Amino acid sequence: DIQMTQSPSTLSASVGDRVTITCRASQSIGIWLAWYQQKPGKAPNLLIYKASTLESGVPSRFSGSGSGTEFTLTISSLQPDDFATYYCQQYNTFFTFGPGTKVDIK
Amino acid sequence: QVQLVQSGAEVKKSGASVKVSCKASGYIFTDYYIHWVRQAPGQGLEWMGWVNPHTGGTNYAQKFRGRVTMTRDTSISTAYMGVSSLRSDDTAMYYCAKQRAYGDLLPGYWGQGTLVTVSS
Repeated sequence: DIQMTQSPSTLSASVGDRVTITCRASQSIGIWLAWYQQKPGKAPNLLIYKASTLESGVPSRFSGSGSGTEFTLTISSLQPDDFATYYCQQYNTFFTFGPGTKVDIK
Repeated sequence: QVQLVQSGAEVKKSGASVKVSCKASGYIFTDYYIHWVRQAPGQGLEWMGWVNPHTGGTNYAQKFRGRVTMTRDTSISTAYMGVSSLRSDDTAMYYCAKQRAYGDLLPGYWGQGTLVTVSS
């Protein structure tokens, strides 16, 4: 099974900050990686797929990069609506989520 | 617009079974796979499997094989996910999610979730 890790597990930041979250896979997954945002009590919302493709309707301050085993999600200028938990997910072989990164207010 | 509306919260005893429904609208139900994902309280997301509404074919995560059954009723555009022999660690929010796009199996659009609570 492919295992996913994320770092950091929690990130404290301020509005306007540039934020980067890292996701690593236990083996190469090519570009088959997605990022989701989840707010408390809500279903996850797809942000990025194929490592770097922005889902329709997602603000351009979100971007993704990477391939193989290492990936990043970047929020260029953190907005109040962005405080949430972010999950990566590989879909090269079945589907596996990372443990999540909580972005909270500094 | 795409909508996935799930059934209401359930409270079950250990050892019982539960069946959660996911009614789809706003698209052709048989054209897109439905995934099921669960999330225990305060924990992360766990992919359980998918059902192909066109054929009824399924693919389950290893952990859930033998205890989870995913089905569909095309006449009412509804997918179902059943769990048998419930345990306390099955207490979770269960989500259905539609395949993102034709040819891309990734879960894209999610239902609102169904809370299943298992008590002893």
